[in-house]
Amino acid sequence: DVKVTQSSRYLVKRTGEKVFLECVQDMDHENMFWYRQDPGLGLRLIYFSYDVKMKEKGDIPEGYSVSREKKERFSLILESASTNQTSMYLCASSFRRQGAFEAFFGQGTRLTVV
Amino acid sequence: AQSVAQPEDQVNVAEGNPLTVKCTYSVSGNPYLFWYVQYPNRGLQFLLKYITGDNLVKGSYGFEAEFNKSQTSFHLKKPSALVSDSALYFCAVRRYSSASKIIFGSGTRLSIRP
Repeated sequence: DVKVTQSSRYLVKRTGEKVFLECVQDMDHENMFWYRQDPGLGLRLIYFSYDVKMKEKGDIPEGYSVSREKKERFSLILESASTNQTSMYLCASSFRRQGAFEAFFGQGTRLTVV
Repeated sequence: AQSVAQPEDQVNVAEGNPLTVKCTYSVSGNPYLFWYVQYPNRGLQFLLKYITGDNLVKGSYGFEAEFNKSQTSFHLKKPSALVSDSALYFCAVRRYSSASKIIFGSGTRLSIRP
């Protein structure tokens, strides 16, 4: 089975802190994604990466950055956490080859910024 | 630009009745389409996908979805609902490209009453 592991289920951080959310996948997937999930808004794409060191902005990249130094690991960084970044963060990964594009998700990290 | 619309925030169905959860999409070129389900405090689970070929695709837990290119729709269906189908359902789309992002709808909460 595909496994996508997010380093924390719950995090509480203070306003202004630099926050790192880590995601690791074990299926040799080329694509990795970070989403945030908010009630009524569904999943919104923050960033995605289609290869090591490659990244593209999603729909809501402001206030976030990402790092992908190794194929299996994709990190989301909140440069200076704010209360409006309190949310559920979901990491996902997928193959790039046609026919196998579905994404597999981690359990999510519920981040609270106080 | 890609987008997905799920016009119903909530769908209520009696157990044993057929269910439909609606989804329409917008994407340039040929789409890949997906349905995911989310149970409380869990990550998203993949249900089914449309790539090409037969417009009716079958997936997990007895669900199926019908692709309609002229109406740009991909509605999720099940002939006989179970109480255990109660969950949050997301439709998603990506372009026919290996390095394409996946865009999700806002989600539909399905409630099955006994």
